[in-house]
Amino acid sequence: NAGVTQTPKFQVLKTGQSMTLQCAQDMNHEYMSWYRQDPGMGLRLIHYSVGAGITDQGEVPNGYNVSRSTTEDFPLRLLSAAPSQTSVYFCASSRLSPGQGREQYFGPGTRLTVT
Amino acid sequence: AQSVTQPDIHITVSEGASLELRCNYSYGATPYLFWYVQSPGQGLQLLLKYFSGDTLVQGIKGFEAEFKRSQSSFNLRKPSVHWSDAAEYFCAVDGYTGTASKLTFGTGTRLQVTL
Repeated sequence: NAGVTQTPKFQVLKTGQSMTLQCAQDMNHEYMSWYRQDPGMGLRLIHYSVGAGITDQGEVPNGYNVSRSTTEDFPLRLLSAAPSQTSVYFCASSRLSPGQGREQYFGPGTRLTVT
Repeated sequence: AQSVTQPDIHITVSEGASLELRCNYSYGATPYLFWYVQSPGQGLQLLLKYFSGDTLVQGIKGFEAEFKRSQSSFNLRKPSVHWSDAAEYFCAVDGYTGTASKLTFGTGTRLQVTL
């Protein structure tokens, strides 16, 4: 199993450009999520999904869109990039296990710089 | 709202010395708690987790953590640190409420190991 994969690894954007960060998992996990990591702030949840066709907002959703058309893929779209979106982005997935917390598996991250 | 506090931003220990990283959480019900480790430029790897039962949990790489409900703490320990343990460590709480799970991270503790 490849686990959770993310592309690209690095990306530089100009202010106002749009792009999509790709995330895929091959573990048949129902739950997928996107986080951003900024120095001194830990990881903050952007959006999450509990299954195909179902998404919801996390702590910092503004400026980002998501969709979930398949179990495997959960892309994150930046509609109009801003310097404040310079960050490292992590995708994660886990099973939905009633009665247990979710052990999330993380991808290697995408380092995004917006100039 | 749930929250996690890691009061130590940076800790330095000598190789072979013992280690304790502090984590305090705020959550209204029984929490699901995790410790993750992140090496430079890498994604997050799960060290250990607490769901219920025995309050002392064992993880990978010789780490353990103890859940203390009365102190709202979940401190990470290791009896003898190795140079390869140098990394950033994140405590997280899962506010599990059926499908609306949101993993909240602390801001992290960076561990430096001196030889």
